[in-house]
Amino acid sequence: KNEVEQSPQNLTAQEGEFITINCSYSVGISALHWLQQHPGGGIVSLFMLSSGKKKHGRLIATINIQEKHSSLHITASHPRDSAVYICAASTGTASKLTFGTGTRLQVTL
Amino acid sequence: DTGVSQDPRHKITKRGQNVTFRCDPISEHNRLYWYRQTLGQGPEFLTYFQNEAQLEKSRLLSDRFSAERPKGSFSTLEIQRTEQGDSAMYLCASSSLLGGSYNEQFFGPGTRLTVL
Repeated sequence: KNEVEQSPQNLTAQEGEFITINCSYSVGISALHWLQQHPGGGIVSLFMLSSGKKKHGRLIATINIQEKHSSLHITASHPRDSAVYICAASTGTASKLTFGTGTRLQVTL
Repeated sequence: DTGVSQDPRHKITKRGQNVTFRCDPISEHNRLYWYRQTLGQGPEFLTYFQNEAQLEKSRLLSDRFSAERPKGSFSTLEIQRTEQGDSAMYLCASSSLLGGSYNEQFFGPGTRLTVL
């Protein structure tokens, strides 16, 4: 069992739909990250959170520390949201990241 | 551009050759991380530096791999006697002690290695 697990692995949505990606982790963390990766490889940090909820534009990230679970929500999805979304946990004094396998999102018109 | 840069962006090599990648972190970021990402998977931790000191290495980093950060600024990752299984995206990230933690990492564009 991976230390960080995401679901679903693939997600197709129509423009305007509300999207949820889930992440569960089994390790002790100092922070939970949501990252976005576009074709070509570049990774952009969307959120870093250790409790509660954060919102940026149409993106919302929540975390439940007791249940070791986090969700990324996208409201009013758009084709430009199409990307791979990766959940990652910061662990230990190294703050190294342990990554989930990613969720490939395709938003169609 | 003051972000993390990596060079080259793409490298194609033949099995058995040596390759070296370079990462330039954000200026004054004293931590630098290397990760490897194979196709369809999330990245995996390889090693990290605080200033010039290499503080941790993953067991994924066989003795064919070596990383350096000689002056605490840029870093190099060398793979000797490359194997087809080394084909992957090699990602570099840097961070600084912000708000009491190094948790926020900034990623470079990656170097995609193909071993034929």
